[in-house]
Amino acid sequence: GDSVTQMEGPVTLSEEAFLTINCTYTATGYPSLFWYVQYPGEGLQLLLKATKADDKGSNKGFEATYRKETTSFHLEKGSVQVSDSAVYFCALDGRGETSGSRLTFGEGTQLTVNP
Amino acid sequence: GAGVSQSPRYKVAKRGQDVALRCDPISGHVSLFWYQQALGQGPEFLTYFQNEAQLDKSGLPSDRFFAERPEGSVSTLKIQRTQQEDSAVYLCASSPWGSYEQYFGPGTRLTVT
Repeated sequence: GDSVTQMEGPVTLSEEAFLTINCTYTATGYPSLFWYVQYPGEGLQLLLKATKADDKGSNKGFEATYRKETTSFHLEKGSVQVSDSAVYFCALDGRGETSGSRLTFGEGTQLTVNP
Repeated sequence: GAGVSQSPRYKVAKRGQDVALRCDPISGHVSLFWYQQALGQGPEFLTYFQNEAQLDKSGLPSDRFFAERPEGSVSTLKIQRTQQEDSAVYLCASSPWGSYEQYFGPGTRLTVT
């Protein structure tokens, strides 16, 4: 079945540091890939998405490129801010014939950015 | 516009009690999903509706879990005879027809004592 593996966390960075959170996946077919963010005390929010190979999703300075050859969708940001502190989830939508758009999530990576 | 809302936000149940969790999706969204998120883990799929039809319930962990969406809008997740292992945050998400994007509610945190 489908699965998503994220780098083990938590991750602690200083403000303005470069961020990479690794994500690899296993899926049959041609999944769509997502990064969701969960800020403290809030619900899951879609951060960015990519629906086919070589697509790059971007939002709020974050980027991720859909790499079919390495089955990866790593999240990057060039300069993190304290306000980026949150839990980040990588997810895929396997587009099953009967299951619609069910999302399969990774375990989540806690990011803390210190001033 | 209004997002996905869930109620109650917090629920404490004694072991063996039945609970009902409500989800109000975004108006007009055809698809509705329930997920279970254990502490420190990613959400796990429970069940999926397209309008009032439950198309996939393969993620429901036992026959104590039951979900319905009788008029294709509001959905209720019911857990009978709650157990401690049911303690989790239950998330509801909705999605418009043909979209890849799911919009999540704030979740209901269920604690079974």
